[in-house]
Amino acid sequence: EDQVTQSPEALRLQEGESSSLNCSYTVSGLRGLFWYRQDPGKGPEFLFTLYSAGEEKEKERLKATLTKKESFLHITAPKPEDSATYLCAVQAYSGAGSYQLTFGKGTKLSVIP
Amino acid sequence: SQTIHQWPATLVQPVGSPLSLECTVEGTSNPNLYWYRQAAGRGLQLLFYSVGIGQISSEVPQNLSASRPQDRQFILSSKKLLLSDSGFYLCACRQDNTGELFFGEGSRLTVL
Repeated sequence: EDQVTQSPEALRLQEGESSSLNCSYTVSGLRGLFWYRQDPGKGPEFLFTLYSAGEEKEKERLKATLTKKESFLHITAPKPEDSATYLCAVQAYSGAGSYQLTFGKGTKLSVIP
Repeated sequence: SQTIHQWPATLVQPVGSPLSLECTVEGTSNPNLYWYRQAAGRGLQLLFYSVGIGQISSEVPQNLSASRPQDRQFILSSKKLLLSDSGFYLCACRQDNTGELFFGEGSRLTVL
């Protein structure tokens, strides 16, 4: 069974204090790893897709990296507006020609001014 | 790019009442559509997905059903709601060439 575990569950940072969020996964036949940002009461917003170990993607203060067992979302000099829940998901083949996403429970990030 | 509309945004229903949540997609044709539920402290749970009109796959046995009467319309229903059906329901559309899912704004259901 595909599994995605995110840590920590919650993270409080001072503004400007860089840190990383972790997403570890076990899946057969990884097709892609996705990061999303979710604000309270809203649908998840797509951030990145990573397809192979060693790949990196950047967007503003965020950088996502991927190894064979885990992914990291690095946040450099965060601002209060970066406060949100960050979700990780893996896509794998689920049979009958379909690919499904399995989501972790997320990391709730709070950035304090 | 596609836009996903969900309504109602918020719903409070008594136990045993019916449910209908609607999702429509703009900006794409023949999309793969998904219904997810997000409960407090839990990850997103895939409920149903559809690859075309009238084609529904169920991921978990439950009190809910889904229908796809039109290419860009996806409906989540229940005949009799349970307390455990409370949650945040999200409709999503799959980007064909990359596999990314794009989500609507969600429907918050509270069953009392």
